[in-house]
Amino acid sequence: EVRLVESGGGLIQPGGSLRLSCAASGFLFSSYNMNWVRQAPGKGLEWVAYISGDSDTQYYADSVRGRFSISRDNGKKSLYLQMSSLRAEDTAIYYCARTWLLGGIDYWGQGALVTVSS
Amino acid sequence: EIVLTQSPGILSLSPGERAILSCRASQSVGSNSLAWYQQKPGQAPSLLIFGASSRASGIPDRFSGSGSGTDFTLTISRLEPEDFAMYYCQQYGTPPTHTFGQGTKLELK
Repeated sequence: EVRLVESGGGLIQPGGSLRLSCAASGFLFSSYNMNWVRQAPGKGLEWVAYISGDSDTQYYADSVRGRFSISRDNGKKSLYLQMSSLRAEDTAIYYCARTWLLGGIDYWGQGALVTVSS
Repeated sequence: EIVLTQSPGILSLSPGERAILSCRASQSVGSNSLAWYQQKPGQAPSLLIFGASSRASGIPDRFSGSGSGTDFTLTISRLEPEDFAMYYCQQYGTPPTHTFGQGTKLELK
């Protein structure tokens, strides 16, 4: 069974930093490209970042480029999102999400809530 | 960067009716790399359609996707009570972004 479990969310002050982690199981992690997708309270989905299976390629949304960094450790079957210079508008549920080999996102974690507030 | 615009924002229909949801891209989506998702309150999204027209595993055949280039459609042929939810399109064919549309809420009339 494919499982994606996020951790590391919480309340953080504006300007602060936070690292989200996602523990993957039930599939060959290194073979899949991965994403972070977020959803602000009551709002739609926003794709945040993408990383290829071998970590060679990363893409970022304009809204987070230069502040967020996606990485992975295939040996630990883990995905990470390092977030810095956090703003109130970064408040959201952050989902770890697997890119399916034929396209689209086929598995999602349960989400980690990040709240940026003083 | 490709911008996806979904319409309508809200669609009010009854069970048994047909739903037609639109997703328009600001520029051509490479290789028809467009997906549709369903999201119910308090849940993560689930993949319905990939490659513009291929159903994901376990998705009922009342869901169908069509379109190419800049215009895409999700059709639900006969609405079941469990189909009332939010629907999002996403393009994944043109790096560097994998943008989502703003969503269509399918609500019970």
